[in-house]
This record gives sequence, structure tokens and C-alpha cells, in this order.
Amino acid sequence: QVTLKESGPVLVKPTETLTLTCTVSGFSLSNARMGVSWIRQPPGKALEWLAHIFSNDEKSYSTSLKSRLTISKDTSKSQVVLTMTNMDPVDTATYYCARTLGGIVGAKDYWGQGTLVTVSS
Amino acid sequence: QSVLTQPPSVSGAPGQRVTISCTGSSSNIGAGYDVHWYQQLPGTAPKLLIYGNSNRPSGVPDRFSGSKSGTSASLAITGLQAEDEADYYCQSYDSSLSGNWVFGGGTKLTVL
Repeated sequence: QVTLKESGPVLVKPTETLTLTCTVSGFSLSNARMGVSWIRQPPGKALEWLAHIFSNDEKSYSTSLKSRLTISKDTSKSQVVLTMTNMDPVDTATYYCARTLGGIVGAKDYWGQGTLVTVSS
Repeated sequence: QSVLTQPPSVSGAPGQRVTISCTGSSSNIGAGYDVHWYQQLPGTAPKLLIYGNSNRPSGVPDRFSGSKSGTSASLAITGLQAEDEADYYCQSYDSSLSGNWVFGGGTKLTVL
């Protein structure tokens, strides 16, 4: 059974750095066909892809947010970590991690439940 | 504005057929990259509905179907049911943005 679960702070202050962890089970982060993306959704708005990490540790970032994002993984712990620097109230959103099967053309076949992060002083 | 364009809303009566369009460009759908569709019920995470343009994951009713042509894709839902009321998102890959996965702006389906 494949599951993903996001964890991290529910509230961060402006200018702080956000660190989110995605803990996966039911598959290995070293599986060649699988990667993990982070996607966010501001309240009432659309999904926005943020970052992706492939099984070979190659990383890809949203062009518009690249300077603020870092994605990494610890295969032994089955965890993928996303950090986002210089948080702003517009970054308030539900953050999801999702498994991608089959490389860049693959679909996000399993999603975590999401974690709502509010940016406020 | 999203790279992939979807109508903000569609509606239909129970039993009817509705379609949701997803329009891209030559750097994403038109470049041959697959289109995937997700259903997001209120207050829940998105769920994969259609992958690889027209394939249904196990457990998705055959009332849902997908197609792709040129720079556009479509999701069709037949035999509308009240439980289909949700937001629907298309997603593809865009080669013009240094490698980015892109989503549509989402379509709210209302079952009248």
C-alpha cells in the first residue's frame, strides 16, 4: 500500500524558512521509475508544482521559485524534504507531496493528504 | 494565469454528459507530452483520474474518459452523478520552462 504523508509547521512568520517533510511507504525512493514532487494550493486557488526529485537524485524546480527552493531525499528514511526560504503571506497554502511514476511524462499517481501552512506574523 | 487553460466552470444535470477542455501550446501538449487529469473533491487531496491522455487507473469508473489532439486535451464525464461534483485539473510537462510540470487552472463541475 503506497502512502505519502506531509509534516511540518502549520504557522511560519514572514521571512522565515519553511521545512516540510514527506514520509513515504509502500515504495522505495531508489526505484528507478519513481520520483516525488511537491505541489501547493493556496486557499481557493489552483495547484502549482514546486519541485521534483528523481530516483537518481536529479532535481527540478519551478522556474519562478527556483531561488527559494531546495529539495532533497533520504532514501534510508523514506523521506523527501522541501525547504522554502523567505516565506511571505502569499505562500500560505496547502502543500502536497505526490509520487510520480515514469519520469517527466509520468502522472502523480499517489498524493499525501496535504498540510496547510499559514504565513503570518 | 496557468500555462494550461481550462474553463473555470461547467455544469450538467444528473445523467448528462459534460466535457472539460485543457488547452496548451507547442511546448507542452503540442510537443507530445502526456496529459493527466485529477479530481479534487471538496476538502481532499487531488486524485489521479486519467493518466497518459486516456488511461484510467484501477477503480476509476468508465464514465470518465480522456482524449488528446494537437495542443489540447479533453476530459469527458458521462452519466453525471452528484458525487462527481468536484474540481478537475489537467496536468502536463512543459519543455520551455527549463523543465516544469504544469497544471491547468482547474474547472469546477457543478451537478445541477
